[in-house]
Amino acid sequence: SQTIHQWPATLVQPVGSPLSLECTVEGTSNPNLYWYRQAAGRGLQLLFYSVGIGQISSEVPQNLSASRPQDRQFILSSKKLLLSDSGFYLCAWSVPGGLDTQYFGPGTRLTVL
Amino acid sequence: KNQVEQSPQSLIILEGKNCTLQCNYTVSPFSNLRWYKQDTGRGPVSLTIMTFSENTKSNGRYTATLDADTKQSSLHITASQLSDSASYICVVSSGGSYIPTFGRGTSLIVHP
Repeated sequence: SQTIHQWPATLVQPVGSPLSLECTVEGTSNPNLYWYRQAAGRGLQLLFYSVGIGQISSEVPQNLSASRPQDRQFILSSKKLLLSDSGFYLCAWSVPGGLDTQYFGPGTRLTVL
Repeated sequence: KNQVEQSPQSLIILEGKNCTLQCNYTVSPFSNLRWYKQDTGRGPVSLTIMTFSENTKSNGRYTATLDADTKQSSLHITASQLSDSASYICVVSSGGSYIPTFGRGTSLIVHP
């Protein structure tokens, strides 16, 4: 069966510090991968998605970046965090060509102070 | 512009009661509609998925309906339990797009 992992679960970082969140998927090949952010009391905002290794599409301009160094690994990064980067970050995967139900990871709670 | 609107924004009910959540969308062309349940501090979990030809789908005490003509969907929860307290998110996918459109969710609180 397929599983998706995210780490860390929680993170507190000072403004201006770098960020690296990792997401890995097991039990499937060539998944579509997604990074979302959910601010308190808000809906899910799509940040990046990837349909293959090295292929990244960005949905919103920001100081975040994403990379997919391996088929089932998706990394969200920032060189310098802003206060506004605080939120709940979710990684998700879907099967290419299917009904694209997205399966979400457990999330990372990021607080920037 | 593709949009998904959910109502009510929040809902409080007593344990054992039924409730219905609404979702209206303007996504075109329509591919499928999904309802997710998101517990606080957790990732969303898929409850149901419906394509254009389906007008009802059940998952235990959860029943989703779809009217593709009026572009409306509802999620009915029967005999609510305390564990139903969560945010319920309506998500609509457009044909040929990798990017679904998410509603903001309905926050449901079930009181004993």
